[in-house]
Amino acid sequence: QQQVKQSPQSLIVQKGGISIINCAYENTAFDYFPWYQQFPGKGPALLIAIRPDVSEKKEGRFTISFNKSAKQFSLHIMDSQPGDSATYFCAASKAAGNKLTFGGGTRVLVKP
Amino acid sequence: KAGVTQTPRYLIKTRGQQVTLSCSPISGHRSVSWYQQTPGQGLQFLFEYFSETQRNKGNFPGRFSGRQFSNSRSEMNVSTLELGDSALYLCASSITGGRPNEKLFFGSGTQLSVL
Repeated sequence: QQQVKQSPQSLIVQKGGISIINCAYENTAFDYFPWYQQFPGKGPALLIAIRPDVSEKKEGRFTISFNKSAKQFSLHIMDSQPGDSATYFCAASKAAGNKLTFGGGTRVLVKP
Repeated sequence: KAGVTQTPRYLIKTRGQQVTLSCSPISGHRSVSWYQQTPGQGLQFLFEYFSETQRNKGNFPGRFSGRQFSNSRSEMNVSTLELGDSALYLCASSITGGRPNEKLFFGSGTQLSVL
């Protein structure tokens, strides 16, 4: 059972453009929603995270939007740069703890 | 501060063999988790250890096991390897794994190929 669905699977954006990745979850017990960035040959690295009591969180060029009623959250990458080309994963977990349920990943390519 | 260290980086085994992977967490981190990453199934949680005790377990067969030592270093073992066990095995650590918003740090993984 895929509890976190992520779309699109891949994305091509021009330098300076906006990348948008969407995730939907099923388990209402989830209350921690991180996004990870993974480069080839490396493990995932935490990018930004949100809890459901907040509808939006911004850190630099990265913004998470959260819609609790729709059970959806999204990552926006503003002013996308070639160095942002990577695979992005959304995830969810119940409260504290490291048992993360990951989405399927989105491969982002930023063209110069 | 050194990051999460996993050894070996690459491993080739044949069906039926067993394998042991090693993980050294970031200094001071006491929670260690293991994940399997494959192109088909994505990232899947295997198990988590804290203070030498398994605290959480994913939906994997009993062939997958792990342990944690008193210095927080962890090993995972896969017995009777199957072709489908070919994957990138990722180790992640955090300070306690028991607090909200606690950051989880991943290693670069061990790429296991089963022939």
